[in-house]
Amino acid sequence: SQQGEEDPQALSIQEGENATMNCSYKTSINNLQWYRQNSGRGLVHLILIRSNEREKHSGRLRVTLDTSKKSSSLLITASRAADTASYFCATPNAGNMLTFGGGTRLMVKP
Amino acid sequence: DARVTQTPRDKVTEMGQEVTMRCQPILGHNTVFWYRQTMMQGLELLAYFRNRAPLDDSGMPKDRFSAEMPDATLATLKIQPSEPRDSAVYFCASREGSYNEQFFGPGTRLTVL
Repeated sequence: SQQGEEDPQALSIQEGENATMNCSYKTSINNLQWYRQNSGRGLVHLILIRSNEREKHSGRLRVTLDTSKKSSSLLITASRAADTASYFCATPNAGNMLTFGGGTRLMVKP
Repeated sequence: DARVTQTPRDKVTEMGQEVTMRCQPILGHNTVFWYRQTMMQGLELLAYFRNRAPLDDSGMPKDRFSAEMPDATLATLKIQPSEPRDSAVYFCASREGSYNEQFFGPGTRLTVL
């Protein structure tokens, strides 16, 4: 079974709105990573948050991590049509291999 | 800028044929991963190498799949014989160190007829 599960599976918003995606995981982690995948392309790393961090920012991205609830959220503020993509959370297992969730498909309408 | 490259980008073949996919990791990255992505299964880890040594290939059907790193600049994934259920996008990724992000290649879209 997948370590990380994203919620929602799909999200459609208007340009300028904020998009929030959630990820839940099952076992203890030392970091959690978010990736973006544009249609037909490889995954691109967005942000890594360590287990001792609660919040991290990168441009219009804000990631939170709640280790007590084993959950993370990715917030994209002031969304743009170019943000349309699938977003995945990934967590390392005991062997430090990443396990990816099923992803959230984000559609930003112009 | 440094990127992971993969060839071919697209491959259409007939069932029973051998398929070889190649990956050039980012120079200096010591860990290389092979993933398969399908609509049904999502992104699955097939195998990974550290310092060219295979560490885990438990995600790979061993009767037909093989992965190798003949040198630090080349990783290969071979399917022989290929089957229609192998149709997927195969991604290679590389990483420097143990706790850093992975850098993905553009993928090889494989269609087995």
